[in-house]
Parts: sequence; C-alpha cells; structure tokens
Amino acid sequence: DAGITQSPRHKVTETGTPVTLRCHQTENHRYMYWYRQDPGHGLRLIHYSYGVKDTDKGEVSDGYSVSRSKTEDFLLTLESATSSQTSVYFCAIRGQGDTQYFGPGTRLTVL
Amino acid sequence: GQQLNQSPQSMFIQEGEDVSMNCTSSSIFNTWLWYKQDPGEGPVLLIALYKAGELTSNGRLTAQFGITRKDSFLNISASIPSDVGIYFCAGDDQGGSEKLVFGKGTKLTVNP
Repeated sequence: DAGITQSPRHKVTETGTPVTLRCHQTENHRYMYWYRQDPGHGLRLIHYSYGVKDTDKGEVSDGYSVSRSKTEDFLLTLESATSSQTSVYFCAIRGQGDTQYFGPGTRLTVL
Repeated sequence: GQQLNQSPQSMFIQEGEDVSMNCTSSSIFNTWLWYKQDPGEGPVLLIALYKAGELTSNGRLTAQFGITRKDSFLNISASIPSDVGIYFCAGDDQGGSEKLVFGKGTKLTVNP
C-alpha cells in the first residue's frame, strides 16, 4: 500500500462544468502522475509533477491542468468538461527503481 | 511516442493451466514492470525487472527481462480463479526516466 487516495471515487457531471480531482499521498514521494484509462488505449499520461509547483505535460494534456501546492496533494482540473473526458482517472506516485504505484481511481462521467 | 506491444490481448483458460504473456518494444528498455488490475481497482505492481536476462518470481508468477532488452515475459503457473484480471507490462526506455511506457494489457479469464 503506497498510501494513495483519490477523491471523489465517482463523479457525474455535465458538459461545460469545471471538475477537480484530488490525489493525496502520505509518504512524501517527489513524483506524482495523473493517467486516464480508456478501452483500447490503456493507460495514458496526462500530466505529472516532480515537486511542489513543478509540473509537466504528458501525452494527452489538452483540456487538463494540474497543480501541486503541497507535496502530498496533486490536483487535476478539467476547466470545462467534455464528453470525451469521460474516463477512469488514476493517480500514481514514483517509487524506487522507476516503479510507479497507483491509487484506486476516479470514475468520471461527463453527460 | 514509444509503444509496447503486449500479447495476447485476451486469454481464456481453465483453472490449473499455466499462462504465458509477453511484451515487446522496438527499442531497448532499462526496466520492465508487470502490473495486475482487478475490475474497478488501480493497477498493482507484481514484479520489477532491472537487468537483461533477469528472472524473478513472486509466488506463482515468474517474469523475465529479455536478453535483447526489447522484450519481457510473464508466466503464471497453476492458475486459479483469482488470477482473473488485466495484466499490464510497463517499461522505462531512458534509464531513470520520469515516465513509463505501458502496454495495452492482456485480459485473463480463468474458468473454474
């Protein structure tokens, strides 16, 4: 157990509304990641962080922003949700030797 | 970007059978990781491999880092119903990279 929690676990929202997902870790890991998982695409990296206020884009970052004001929290924001952002979102932290450990996921539905 | 080819996409086996799946890449990898994902949950790390030729076991699971550094294999012996899930390979092709490359997964179904 890497001490990762995600909130909310499930969310239904409407197109055009802002949505923020939270990832919280308890073990002071430097690196944190946000992925989305969709059928046929596997896990795709949205954004990641390598320290407080230090973030970078992944392969599918359009329409998403992130913030990390504290080591333990990494927030993913959809400024104006679209139906194409319906997905399962996973947060991960980087462990030793390039390993990554995942949270339980957030299932987001955009109507 | 870099992609991993994972096969087979799905497997249907009988309880007690052995299972083998693999991942290949077009470039050399420095780390290979294998994950399992149960329905409705996040991927869980099963095995990490760091050296070419390395063979590592975790219970009934055995994984190998291919000698060419472009592939990896995961074997499950004497499968049981709780082995059901999706198995992902992942790797680091840049040595200490901040990011991993993931395969698309092998979905395993075990019939009792």
